[in-house]
Amino acid sequence: NAGVTQTPKFQVLKTGQSMTLQCAQDMNHEYMSWYRQDPGMGLRLIHYSVGAGITDQGEVPNGYNVSRSTTEDFPLRLLSAAPSQTSVYFCASSGRSRGADTQYFGPGTRLTVL
Amino acid sequence: AQSVSQHNHHVILSEAASLELGCNYSYGGTVNLFWYVQYPGQHLQLLLKYFSGDPLVKGIKGFEAEFIKSKFSFNLRKPSVQWSDTAEYFCAVNARGSSASKIIFGSGTRLSIRP
Repeated sequence: NAGVTQTPKFQVLKTGQSMTLQCAQDMNHEYMSWYRQDPGMGLRLIHYSVGAGITDQGEVPNGYNVSRSTTEDFPLRLLSAAPSQTSVYFCASSGRSRGADTQYFGPGTRLTVL
Repeated sequence: AQSVSQHNHHVILSEAASLELGCNYSYGGTVNLFWYVQYPGQHLQLLLKYFSGDPLVKGIKGFEAEFIKSKFSFNLRKPSVQWSDTAEYFCAVNARGSSASKIIFGSGTRLSIRP
């Protein structure tokens, strides 16, 4: 199993450009999430999904869109990039259990917006 | 809504010293609790987790954490740290019954170990 994969690893955008960060998992996990990691702020939840076709907002959803058309994939779209979106983005997935389960993280995408 | 506080932003210890990293959460209901570690240049990995039962949880690499419900705390401990423990440590909480995906993380504690 590859686990959770993310592409690209690095990306530089200009203000106003749009792009999609890709995330895929091969563990048949129902739950998937996107976080951003900023110095001193820890990980903040952007959006999450409890299954194909179902998504919801996290702590910092503004400026980001998600969709979940399949169990495996959970892309994150930046509609119009802003310098405040410069960050490291992590995708995570977890299987279903009675409550929460261990989150498996991808390697991250380092995004710089100029 | 739940939140997590990690009051120590940067901890510097010498090898063989004992470690305790603080984690407090705010949520009135039942919670699941986690500690994750991020080694330099790597992604987050689970150290340990608490769902129910014995409040003293043992994780990988000699780490343990104690859930004290009355104090809303889940502090991470290790009796003797090694240089290889240099990393950033994140406490996380999930409100029981809510979506497993909605796990809230603290701001992290950077641990530096002097050889």
